[in-house]
Amino acid sequence: DADVTQTPRNRITKTGKRIMLECSQTKGHDRMYWYRQDPGLGLRLIYYSFDVKDINKGEISDGYSVSRQAQAKFSLSLESAIPNQTALYFCATSDFSATGLREQFFGPGTRLTVL
Amino acid sequence: AQSVSQHNHHVILSEAASLELGCNYSYGGTVNLFWYVQYPGQHLQLLLKYFSGDPLVKGIKGFEAEFIKSKFSFNLRKPSVQWSDTAEYFCAALYNFNKFYFGSGTKLNVKP
Repeated sequence: DADVTQTPRNRITKTGKRIMLECSQTKGHDRMYWYRQDPGLGLRLIYYSFDVKDINKGEISDGYSVSRQAQAKFSLSLESAIPNQTALYFCATSDFSATGLREQFFGPGTRLTVL
Repeated sequence: AQSVSQHNHHVILSEAASLELGCNYSYGGTVNLFWYVQYPGQHLQLLLKYFSGDPLVKGIKGFEAEFIKSKFSFNLRKPSVQWSDTAEYFCAALYNFNKFYFGSGTKLNVKP
C-alpha cells in the first residue's frame, strides 16, 4: 500500500553496526507496528505504538528499539545488529474501518541482511 | 496465551482444484479474524475479514472463509484455484481490539 512507506527497501550490514529502519504513513492512522517475517514463522510483532506517547513491546523486542517521532513516523533501530536479525521487516498501521473493524495496512517491507 | 495456528505449511494444487487452508485461534476474549495474502516479493494484502454476523465471509478474488466458533476455526476456501493464486497466505487474529497475532503462513503453489 503506497500510503505506508518504508526506507530502505534493502540493506546489507555487518555485525555490530547500528541500523535504523524508517516507516512513514499518510493514512492518518493512530496505531503503528513493526513486525519481522522469517520463513516458516510468519510475522512476529516487535513493537507497537498506539500514539506518539504510547510504545509497547511485542513478542520479540530484545535487541530492538523504536521511536515514534510523530503520528506519521515510526522508526525501528537495531543498536548492534547480529546475524539472526536477518529478516524481512514490515511496518503496519491500523485504524477503524467503516465497518467498525480495526484493520492493518502494511508497508512494502525492508529486507535486512546482517553479515 | 493468545495465538493463531496454521497447520498446512505448504500446499501444492493443480489449477481448478479446490482449496481449503486451515486456521485455528486460541480463546482470548473478543476476536476479529483476517486472512492476508502475500504474493512473491510483495507486502501483505487483506483478502477478507470477520467481525460479526454471517459466519461465511466472502473476500476478494473468489476467496471465502467460514468462522466456526465451536471449533475456534476460520478456514479459507476457494472452489477453483488459478496459477495466479500462488502466494503465501496468513491467518491473523485481533484480540480485544488490541493486538494482532499472525499464523506461521501457508505457501500455496498452483501448478498450471
